Amino acid sequence: EVQLVESGGGLVQPGGSLRLSCAASGFTFSSYWMSWVRQAPGKGLEWVANIRPDGSERNFVGSVMGRFSISRDNAKNSLYLQMDSLRAEDTAVYFCATIFTSGVFSAHDYWGQGTLVTVSS
Amino acid sequence: DIQMTQSPSSLSASVGDIVAITCRASQSISNYLNWYQQKPGKAPNLLIYGASTLHSGVPSRFSGSGSGTDFTLTISSVQPEDFATYYCQQSYSPPATFGPGTKVDI
Repeated sequence: EVQLVESGGGLVQPGGSLRLSCAASGFTFSSYWMSWVRQAPGKGLEWVANIRPDGSERNFVGSVMGRFSISRDNAKNSLYLQMDSLRAEDTAVYFCATIFTSGVFSAHDYWGQGTLVTVSS
Repeated sequence: DIQMTQSPSSLSASVGDIVAITCRASQSISNYLNWYQQKPGKAPNLLIYGASTLHSGVPSRFSGSGSGTDFTLTISSVQPEDFATYYCQQSYSPPATFGPGTKVDI
């Protein structure tokens, strides 16, 4: 059974940093692109970042570029999101998700339960 | 970035109704379009990818259509477990933007 378990969320002051982790099990983690997707309270979904299976390619949404970094440790079946210079508008539940591919198409098929990040003074 | 819009933003339906949700992209995305269902407090579930291909385990009452800029998610006979928020997402080019969502309730 595929499981994704996020951790590391919490309350942080504006300008602070936080590192999220996602522990993966039940599939060959090292073979999959992975993403972080967030959802502000009462709002819609926003894709944040993704990373190639070998970590050689990373993509970010413009609003977090230069502030967030994504990484993975395939030996530990873990995905990370380092968040620096946090702003109030980064407050959200952060989900990690696997990227399923079929031919030329891709989508997020497995998701964790999410971890809440609150940026407030 | 490619902008995604959805209509309506919410709708009311009864069990057994046919429901259609529209998603529009700000530029052509061919058929690189996904649909997700999300229930309150839960992670999203993938329903459809490639605009019309049903993901594994998804009931056949869900269907998707469209290409280019205009897409539709149809639920042929709404069931009680289908009351949720539905999001489209383009996978044509990063960032993989989502639509704002359509809430389907009773």
